[in-house]
Amino acid sequence: GAGVSQSPRYKVAKRGQDVALRCDPISGHVSLFWYQQALGQGPEFLTYFQNEAQLDKSGLPSDRFFAERPEGSVSTLKIQRTQQEDSAVYLCASSLVSGWDTDTQYFGPGTRLTVL
Amino acid sequence: GENVEQHPSTLSVQEGDSAVIKCTYSDSASNYFPWYKQELGKGPQLIIDIRSNVGEKKDQRIAVTLNKTAKHFSLHITETQPEDSAVYFCAVGGYNKLIFGAGTRLAVHP
Repeated sequence: GAGVSQSPRYKVAKRGQDVALRCDPISGHVSLFWYQQALGQGPEFLTYFQNEAQLDKSGLPSDRFFAERPEGSVSTLKIQRTQQEDSAVYLCASSLVSGWDTDTQYFGPGTRLTVL
Repeated sequence: GENVEQHPSTLSVQEGDSAVIKCTYSDSASNYFPWYKQELGKGPQLIIDIRSNVGEKKDQRIAVTLNKTAKHFSLHITETQPEDSAVYFCAVGGYNKLIFGAGTRLAVHP
């Protein structure tokens, strides 16, 4: 079946521009996650949605980062006034259920953001 | 918060040899331990996972062992093949969040 998809796959922005990154999770998956992966590092948690509710945004690095999932399916990660330090791969993951017993997370291919 | 350390950072083996990657974690309440493989330009792909009620799990050439008392877990790949070359990440899960190690770049030479 279809996996997690992300678009665009590559994005180049000038410093100060706003960007929007899209994630289409696996159909029927309740939970959706965003991670940031710097070059040569492991993914770092940004935020978590259960359906349309954003239950954890503790990993968002600043108030320039905003995520939404208004209808409980597609999600958008928005970065305002991009800075060079925002350059990274942004990964989206989804899982079927939620709860304390962590469920398997399936990752998309990521969006590579380069801020010039 | 949870801290995950992964060793080694790079690993080079000959085809057919075994490879072992180790991770330690700090939060004894963590209960989910997946391993992901990431190839260049792709997202992480789950290869095996283990939960805290199990000490060992095997899937063909891949196995994971978990020692909850010592708070460490390991990935074992036997009979390595060139297509196993990639970056491998361990992760630790608690409440709907994965904390990743820094990764191990595995190179399998023919």
